[in-house]
Amino acid sequence: AQTVTQSQPEMSVQEAETVTLSCTYDTSESDYYLFWYKQPPSRQMILVIRQEAYKQQNATENRFSVNFQKAAKSFSLKISDSQLGDAAMYFCAYRSAIEYGNKLVFGAGTILRVKS
Amino acid sequence: DARVTQTPRHKVTEMGQEVTMRCQPILGHNTVFWYRQTMMQGLELLAYFRNRAPLDDSGMPKDRFSAEMPDATLATLKIQPSEPRDSAVYFCASGLSGLAKRTGELFFGEGSRLTVL
Repeated sequence: AQTVTQSQPEMSVQEAETVTLSCTYDTSESDYYLFWYKQPPSRQMILVIRQEAYKQQNATENRFSVNFQKAAKSFSLKISDSQLGDAAMYFCAYRSAIEYGNKLVFGAGTILRVKS
Repeated sequence: DARVTQTPRHKVTEMGQEVTMRCQPILGHNTVFWYRQTMMQGLELLAYFRNRAPLDDSGMPKDRFSAEMPDATLATLKIQPSEPRDSAVYFCASGLSGLAKRTGELFFGEGSRLTVL
């Protein structure tokens, strides 16, 4: 079974600074998706960024980018120019691309605090 | 703006009562998932459906929980009888699988916060 590990329960960053959240995963599959979801206090799960495993290029979405290391099974999220609105719980998630195995597996989450 | 709709948003009930949570997936999505979120266990998959057929409900306590999809626009999660340990936020999510899976993303509803006294 696939597992996702987020080793940082909590992180802090100064406003306008850069922070990196870590994520590792374990799988024997070659075709899959990786995601970072953000959950603010409103509890809504918001997709931040996605990465398809067959793509070597790291995904970027404005201030958010990932460092995808397929061989190392690592998928970290970098937030540049941090803003107060970035404060939330961040979940790393894995989803198999196999037809019948495509449930979303989540890590335990990292609480990100942004200091003004 | 397509979204997953969940009801109720909040529910407070007494132990032993029946609780039904409902989910309307995004039109055209063929997979529906139920997740439970607690502080201790994080996000746990309870059940999921593909084309309305249950694919995996191994994460669900079978004696008190049941999940169904009466039609493509409605998924339900029922707890009978409810217990205080069922207090959690329950999320429904929908997405695409098979040839139509595209980006693989799941779209989440706003969750139903359940408190069992």
